[in-house]
Amino acid sequence: GQQLNQSPQSMFIQEGEDVSMNCTSSSIFNTWLWYKQDPGEGPVLLIALYKAGELTSNGRLTAQFGITRKDSFLNISASIPSDVGIYFCAGYANQAGTALIFGKGTTLSVSS
Amino acid sequence: SQTIHQWPATLVQPVGSPLSLECTVEGTSNPNLYWYRQAAGRGLQLLFYSVGIGQISSEVPQNLSASRPQDRQFILSSKKLLLSDSGFYLCAWSVNKNTEAFFGQGTRLTVV
Repeated sequence: GQQLNQSPQSMFIQEGEDVSMNCTSSSIFNTWLWYKQDPGEGPVLLIALYKAGELTSNGRLTAQFGITRKDSFLNISASIPSDVGIYFCAGYANQAGTALIFGKGTTLSVSS
Repeated sequence: SQTIHQWPATLVQPVGSPLSLECTVEGTSNPNLYWYRQAAGRGLQLLFYSVGIGQISSEVPQNLSASRPQDRQFILSSKKLLLSDSGFYLCAWSVNKNTEAFFGQGTRLTVV
């Protein structure tokens, strides 16, 4: 089946630092989504990307849809303690009948 | 606006007992519906998805089944729970394929 390779698996940073994580696939994707999950809760949508090359920001977050349509990255600038959580990439592959699949997540820890 | 409801929030069930988790969506018609399972500290594994009433696609062979008796109702069931069925179960909906998905608050299932 389809797989998304998300890296890094975890990150430990200081408050104020910038963060970058990415997601790759061997297949072409039509849509890339980035979510954040806090403990014991459902994932919350951060950014949605629909076109190759698209660069979208949401506050301190910026994400891009790779031009090959096989990758995406998420950047967080000037991290703060409330950025702590698990970040997931997700997407729909360019194949009939495929549903939304997720990467394994990046756990972010921020020390003040 | 659209909302998604998932219950119960937590559940402790003995091995061999049946299971029924319910998810309902309000404020939209004919949504795509999804069930995911998340093991502790792990990513989201797609279990089932549905594009319409009575239409269920299974992604992973397992001890679980899903049904969609009404347009905005998605039910996850098991006849006999196994210890390995423990996990965090998440329901989600999207307008259609290739659009952003929104999650419920999840059900923490512990099989003892």
